[in-house]
Formats: sequence, C-alpha cells, structure tokens
Amino acid sequence: ETGVTQTPRHLVMGMTNKKSLKCEQHLGHNAMYWYKQSAKKPLELMFVYSLEERVENNSVPSRFSPECPNSSHLFLHLHTLQPEDSALYLCASSQGGGGTDTQYFGPGTRLTVL
Amino acid sequence: AQSVTQLDSQVPVFEEAPVELRCNYSSSVSVYLFWYVQYPNQGLQLLLKYLSGSTLVKGINGFEAEFNKSQTSFHLRKPSVHISDTAEYFCAVSVISGFQKLVFGTGTRLLVSP
Repeated sequence: ETGVTQTPRHLVMGMTNKKSLKCEQHLGHNAMYWYKQSAKKPLELMFVYSLEERVENNSVPSRFSPECPNSSHLFLHLHTLQPEDSALYLCASSQGGGGTDTQYFGPGTRLTVL
Repeated sequence: AQSVTQLDSQVPVFEEAPVELRCNYSSSVSVYLFWYVQYPNQGLQLLLKYLSGSTLVKGINGFEAEFNKSQTSFHLRKPSVHISDTAEYFCAVSVISGFQKLVFGTGTRLLVSP
C-alpha cells in the first residue's frame, strides 16, 4: 500500500450505532488530519494530530472522538450521530504539520446516517 | 480569521481552450496559498502552492497560478485544457505561523467537453 488509505470506503449507520473510521498513512509523516466534506460547503477541518498529540479540535461535537495510537494510524470513533453528519470524511497526512507542508489525502469514507 | 471565496461553482470549457479559475481570500495576517484538485472518487491532490518569492507559481499538469497581494487573489490558469482535467478544484490558505490549518473555498467544478 502506498499513500494514505481509508477504510471503510462506504458506511451506513443508524443514529444509535457506534462505528469507527480508520486511516493509515505509509509516507512516514508526523501530522495527520480529519476533514468533513459536505455538498456545497467548504472542507471543514475537524482535528489535527502532530506526533500523536492532538493539537487542534475545531469545535467538533463530542459524538466524534478521534484517536491517534501512532504516527501512521488515525481513527475517528462515531456514536449517536445525526443525519446532518452524513458526509465524506477525508483523512490527510503531512510531513511535520507546518504551514508550508503539502497534505496528502486519502480517498475518503462516504458516511450515511439514517 | 481567514476566508476563501471561489465565486464560480462550475466552469464549462471546450477541450484545448484556456481556462481561469478564480480565487480570492481574506486574512489579516500573511498566508500561504494552495490549489488542490479532486478527481471523482478520489481524495485531494496538491496542484501548486505559493509560499514566497516569484508571484507566478507553476504546478503539475500544466497549471499555474499568480499571487496578487493587492487584490488578495490567487487565480489558477491553464492555457489548454484536456478532457482529463475535468475535476473539482479547491483554493485554500494557511497562516504562516503554527500548525497548518487549511481554510478551503467551496470549490469550482471544471467541466471539459470535446
């Protein structure tokens, strides 16, 4: 595997379910990001991790819980979601997290909340 | 806070014609500027970025962009488009200091037809 991978690619869940999204980067990067992409809206940065430490939580509801066990893996745990949480969730990584970095994106997980 | 405006939600163009995708930004501090492209069912990929120096930046796939500080613009151009350039294009900014927190525009869909 190369680049940034995300699983699953598609997920349908009920409002009472608990599920997790997984992201893995094979680039040796130290920073990882979660974004939400909704139709007709700009990509929204959700969380930033640098060296497994969360450095940004962009006012995301607590029903979204990130976890970064090591610099290669990032999870997004989901529970009691709302239908408006349906979106494409993108993971990205970059070398160190600095302003000049290039972020490398995974293909995303398409989430539908019923 | 920073914001990015991409006024054109969709730009139709014929193959081999030139194209310009517009991006304007607002920020009270200095920023870095980026253009990312998203092909169908894929994550975002960096086209080019402006960090400093020459205001004309060349990127991949024949694209270029010009930073205009007085007009707070960073328009993307290509002299001759191909069918394969059909995609969504996102302009983004990031403040220079601290961790990278990209602020994206709403995107412009480029539709290239034969």
